[in-house]
Amino acid sequence: GENVEQHPSTLSVQEGDSAVIKCTYSDSASNYFPWYKQELGKGPQLIIDIRSNVGEKKDQRIAVTLNKTAKHFSLHITETQPEDSAVYFCAGRGWTKLSFGAGTTVTVRA
Amino acid sequence: GAVVSQHPSWVICKSGTSVKIECRSLDFQATTMFWYRQFPKQSLMLMATSNEGSKATYEQGVEKDKFLINHASLTLSTLTVTSAHPEDSSFYICSAMLDTDTQYFGPGTRLTVL
Repeated sequence: GENVEQHPSTLSVQEGDSAVIKCTYSDSASNYFPWYKQELGKGPQLIIDIRSNVGEKKDQRIAVTLNKTAKHFSLHITETQPEDSAVYFCAGRGWTKLSFGAGTTVTVRA
Repeated sequence: GAVVSQHPSWVICKSGTSVKIECRSLDFQATTMFWYRQFPKQSLMLMATSNEGSKATYEQGVEKDKFLINHASLTLSTLTVTSAHPEDSSFYICSAMLDTDTQYFGPGTRLTVL
C-alpha cells in the first residue's frame, strides 16, 4: 500500500514568514494529494488538494506543488498568521483509500 | 465546502456499555464514508470503510464485532463501540466522500470509557 512520509514534525515560524511542509509517497499510482489542517480537539479540515495532472495549485496564501517524478509534494503557506497555528497532515490516494503523513505541528510566533 | 457532522461530540460511558456515534453528510450524498481513530499527537488511523447498503470493510487488526458500522442511507453512517473498555477511549472521526477523490471530515467524537 501507499506510504506517506512527512517532514518536519514540528515547525515554528515568525508571523509573516513562510512555512513549508514536505511529503514523499511510495506508490507511483497515487494520483490525488490533499492537505488537511487540524486544530486542537477538532476534525481535519481540507485546505487544498492537487491531482497528478497538475504541478502546482494556489489558493490565496496557500500553495501546493507536486513532483511526480521524485514522488514528493509540498505545502507552502505565505505571510503566516497566528491562526495558521495547527497540525497539518498531507495524504496520498492510490487505488482505494487515503494514506496520511504523521503530521506537522506549526506554531506561528507573534 | 461540504459539511459533515458527528453526534455526539463527546461521550463518557461506563466499562461494558455500548456507545453509538452518528456521522452525517449534511449537504451532499455519500456512498462511501470512513471511520478513523486518532490517539493524542498521532495521525489518523483508518478503522473501516463504510459503503451504503453493504457491509463495511475493516482494516487489519480492527475487530468488526466490537466496532459495528451501519451505513443505512446516503447521508448517515453509524459506529457502535460494543462492550467498551478504557482502552477504547479515543477520538473517533468520520469522513464522507464528496466525489471519487474529495473527502470531508466530521468534527470528531471524544469517547472516554471509565
